Amino acid sequence: GAVVSQHPSRVICKSGTSVKIECRSLDFQATTMFWYRQFPKQSLMLMATSNEGSKATYEQGVEKDKFLINHASLTLSTLTVTSAHPEDSSFYICSAAEGWGAGDQPQHFGDGTRLSIL
Amino acid sequence: AQSVTQPDIHITVSEGASLELRCNYSYGATPYLFWYVQSPGQGLQLLLKYFSGDTLVQGIKGFEAEFKRSQSSFNLRKPSVHWSDAAEYFCAVGASQAGTALIFGKGTTLSVSS
Repeated sequence: GAVVSQHPSRVICKSGTSVKIECRSLDFQATTMFWYRQFPKQSLMLMATSNEGSKATYEQGVEKDKFLINHASLTLSTLTVTSAHPEDSSFYICSAAEGWGAGDQPQHFGDGTRLSIL
Repeated sequence: AQSVTQPDIHITVSEGASLELRCNYSYGATPYLFWYVQSPGQGLQLLLKYFSGDTLVQGIKGFEAEFKRSQSSFNLRKPSVHWSDAAEYFCAVGASQAGTALIFGKGTTLSVSS
């Protein structure tokens, strides 16, 4: 079945460091990928929608300059947390939809990245 | 506004007993509905989905869900729970338009007692 690979699975770094998270669709092309953030014991909150070859669409309240998204190919989207601070510590999950991201194409999720900023 | 409500934050079920997790949605158009399961520290695994047709859908791991339009519900059921089913369960709704993300409920934590 369709697989989405997310890397790294865990990052621990100092405050002020920039961290890049990769999301790859391994056996299908994903025009659209989504980035979510999940706080402990809470649901997934959509951060942004990443479209191949164009600028990402960010949800209200998400800082574009803090969370840089690049979707350079049909199989790879990256999320860079710039100058990370402790409040950015969270679980970040990406998902990719097969084809054009229509609702009838199920989204496949990566295993998430646990980001801890010291 | 589009939303998904999972009324039960935490449910404990005895192993072998039946399970029903509730999900209600508010959506302006025909919804596409999903149930996902998440183990601690892991991503989400799709259990089942409803797009159209038969309102009772079968999923993996013995789960099923029933879409009831009149009640705006999509409850998840399993006739006999196993200890390995303990996890976080999320109901989600999506649109038919291309490029739209899912809207998730807050999740229900399932504990299984022996």
